[in-house]
Amino acid sequence: GQQVMQIPQYQHVQEGEDFTTYCNSSTTLSNIQWYKQRPGGHPVFLIQLVKSGEVKKQKRLTFQFGEAKKNSSLHITATQTTDVGTYFCAAYGGATNKLIFGTGTLLAVQP
Amino acid sequence: NAGVTQTPKFQVLKTGQSMTLQCAQDMNHEYMSWYRQDPGMGLRLIHYSVGAGITDQGEVPNGYNVSRSTTEDFPLRLLSAAPSQTSVYFCASSYSEVSSEQYFGPGTRLTVT
Repeated sequence: GQQVMQIPQYQHVQEGEDFTTYCNSSTTLSNIQWYKQRPGGHPVFLIQLVKSGEVKKQKRLTFQFGEAKKNSSLHITATQTTDVGTYFCAAYGGATNKLIFGTGTLLAVQP
Repeated sequence: NAGVTQTPKFQVLKTGQSMTLQCAQDMNHEYMSWYRQDPGMGLRLIHYSVGAGITDQGEVPNGYNVSRSTTEDFPLRLLSAAPSQTSVYFCASSYSEVSSEQYFGPGTRLTVT
């Protein structure tokens, strides 16, 4: 079935450095969603990308959807300690054609 | 609006015991789902429902039952708990089953000894 691979699994940065997490699929995706989960918390929806090559920004966060709609990235400019958490991508697919989550990237930010 | 609520927050069970994890939402969402989260494995779909009276299996349904008698409630039942079911369980709801933002509850941390 469809899998959504996410890299890296873990990233440790100094506050002020940039951060990027990547999400890859072997099949074409209809859309992709991104979620953030703070330590001890629950996933919170960030954004959904639908169009090929789409780029969306939320303050210091930039989300991209690849031209072939098989990959996506989340880039954070000048990280802050409030960015700490696990970032998940999610896409519809698999045997149930329901939302499948990537394994997530845990971001640690050292002040 | 309370959003999605889950009870209990924490639970410890012995192997073989049964229990029900409660989930409720007050957003009138038709689509509800249950996920389990294990270290390094992301969130995996257990069961889902597209409306009252309709449920279906997700990726990892074995050992779990669900029912959806009302739009608001979607309980998850563990029939005979096993240590492999030790996990954090999240309930989620959304307006529709595709291309729709998922709202997650706070989670239930379950330990089976």
